[in-house]
Amino acid sequence: RKEVEQDPGPFNVPEGATVAFNCTYSNSASQSFFWYRQDCRKEPKLLMSVYSSGNEDGRFTAQLNRASQYISLLIRDSKLSDSATYLCVVKSGTSYGKLTFGQGTILTVHP
Amino acid sequence: DAGVTQSPTHLIKTRGQHVTLRCSPISGHKSVSWYQQVLGQGPQFIFQYYEKEERGRGNFPDRFSARQFPNYSSELNVNALLLGDSALYLCASSSGQGSDGYTFGSGTRLTVV
Repeated sequence: RKEVEQDPGPFNVPEGATVAFNCTYSNSASQSFFWYRQDCRKEPKLLMSVYSSGNEDGRFTAQLNRASQYISLLIRDSKLSDSATYLCVVKSGTSYGKLTFGQGTILTVHP
Repeated sequence: DAGVTQSPTHLIKTRGQHVTLRCSPISGHKSVSWYQQVLGQGPQFIFQYYEKEERGRGNFPDRFSARQFPNYSSELNVNALLLGDSALYLCASSSGQGSDGYTFGSGTRLTVV
């Protein structure tokens, strides 16, 4: 079983749609959780951290359920510029622990 | 402020050769880690360095080695290159404090022929 599992998609949605990505992780000792965005042939960029209380950044909402070891990302009012691969990431330890990435979920937003 | 810088950006090597990839972290960051990303997969952890000491190693063969210098820059070395080593090699920088995410450099794209 992979440490971090994501549905690879692809998700093809029209502009303005709401889309949700899910992710599960296997290491219950994981300390920190993130969503990264990666554009084609570019480096991953931090989209947002994920907290148990849930957190929102504009059109993006992330949620963590530690009991179920489940992480989610909701994107509202999708834009063409949201097209990218979204990587679910788990970090061991709170300071300099390693990052474990999911395979990534491909999102394409079309006009 | 300069972000994480990696060099070279692209590299073509033949099987059996060795390669050295370089990374300079964000100013003030003391932790550098290396990741390998093959097409269609998420990045895989190779090494982590903090304060010039190795703090973690992923499931990679001994052909892979790394080090961190007093100025916190880092090198990743790969010996006896195989075709399967073709990938995007990413360097990540962090302060080593708190629970923040890491900032990645733009990577070195290595092609082994």
